[in-house]
Amino acid sequence: AQSVAQPEDQVNVAEGNPLTVKCTYSVSGNPYLFWYVQYPNRGLQFLLKYITGDNLVKGSYGFEAEFNKSQTSFHLKKPSALVSDSALYFCAVRDGNTDKLIFGTGTRLQVFP
Amino acid sequence: DADVTQTPRNRITKTGKRIMLECSQTKGHDRMYWYRQDPGLGLRLIYYSFDVKDINKGEISDGYSVSRQAQAKFSLSLESAIPNQTALYFCATSDWNSGNTIYFGEGSWLTVV
Repeated sequence: AQSVAQPEDQVNVAEGNPLTVKCTYSVSGNPYLFWYVQYPNRGLQFLLKYITGDNLVKGSYGFEAEFNKSQTSFHLKKPSALVSDSALYFCAVRDGNTDKLIFGTGTRLQVFP
Repeated sequence: DADVTQTPRNRITKTGKRIMLECSQTKGHDRMYWYRQDPGLGLRLIYYSFDVKDINKGEISDGYSVSRQAQAKFSLSLESAIPNQTALYFCATSDWNSGNTIYFGEGSWLTVV
């Protein structure tokens, strides 16, 4: 069965430092992978996705994610964190059999000034 | 105006009451979804519909029903609400042309007392 894991409930980082939010996946077939962000009292916003091609995917707000097939990972990264990046981040994988997205449990990112 | 609109945004209802959450979209997408968000559990799929005549159960459909009234409208009903259905509910849309990217509404907070 398709699944995605976000091993960290919370990530704390100082403003200006690089950040990484981890995601690992399990799929049969080629993975379609997504990152979403949820700001307080808001819906989820699409950040970026990997379908095929370059392993480094660039997305909104300066975020990028690196697809690593051998490690079955799709970690979200940003070179320099901003306080405004503080939010809840979700990794998701497409279920190839049903075309549904399966979400991880989320990682709360806290960026301190 | 939001592309995916949910009403109501907040609702408090009593145990045993029927409640309907409505969703409409202006994105022209053929696929619509209802998700439920609970702290620590991420997003779980309740029902999804790939077109007007297609309705499918998700992973947690018990206690819920849906109606796809038109391509742009997808409503979620709780026939007899219970307290453990207290959650944040999201409507979402996608289509083949969006590359399986799902776009979310702003969410509906439902409290069952």
